[in-house]
Amino acid sequence: GAVVSQHPSRVICKSGTSVKIECRSLDFQATTMFWYRQFPKQSLMLMATSNEGSKATYEQGVEKDKFLINHASLTLSTLTVTSAHPEDSSFYICSALNRDKETQYFGPGTRLLVL
Amino acid sequence: ELKVEQNPLFLSMQEGKNYTIYCNYSTTSDRLYWYRQDPGKSLESLFVLLSNGAVKQEGRLMASLDTKARLSTLHITAAVHDLSATYFCAVVKTSGSRLTFGEGTQLTVNP
Repeated sequence: GAVVSQHPSRVICKSGTSVKIECRSLDFQATTMFWYRQFPKQSLMLMATSNEGSKATYEQGVEKDKFLINHASLTLSTLTVTSAHPEDSSFYICSALNRDKETQYFGPGTRLLVL
Repeated sequence: ELKVEQNPLFLSMQEGKNYTIYCNYSTTSDRLYWYRQDPGKSLESLFVLLSNGAVKQEGRLMASLDTKARLSTLHITAAVHDLSATYFCAVVKTSGSRLTFGEGTQLTVNP
């Protein structure tokens, strides 16, 4: 099956710093990738839809200047959490949409802890 | 706005028993997915249901879809401890690609 990777898998940073998370589709091209955030004991919440070569579409309530998304190629999308604060600590999961437009393949997630 | 509701949210059951998790959604949908999530891990895809009356089975899990009732079920047969996890259903609106997730059902299977 299709594989999606995320890097890093775990990151601890100081408040006020920026953190970049990479999401790669390893064996297929993904024109669309999604970024989700999951707080403990909660469901996944869609943050934004990332389309290759165009601006990301953000969900209501998600600050686009704080969560910068770049989808520069068909296999890579990045999420940068700028000026991170402790409340940004969460599990961030990306997914990539296969060309059949029916299947989303999920990455292994990145656990962010902001001190 | 598409809403997806799961029931129950918490389920504790004994090994060997059967149970059903329900997933209701509020608008027409092209596809419905079931995922499993283990603690600290990402999502594992279990089933994708594409049409009314679709039924899929894998091991002790069976999923079905009734698009008229906007209801999907995940049936667990003769539960074993290894099935302990959180199970999510997720729905895609007709002609869309965005997934909307249910709240999740935390399943604990006790010996």
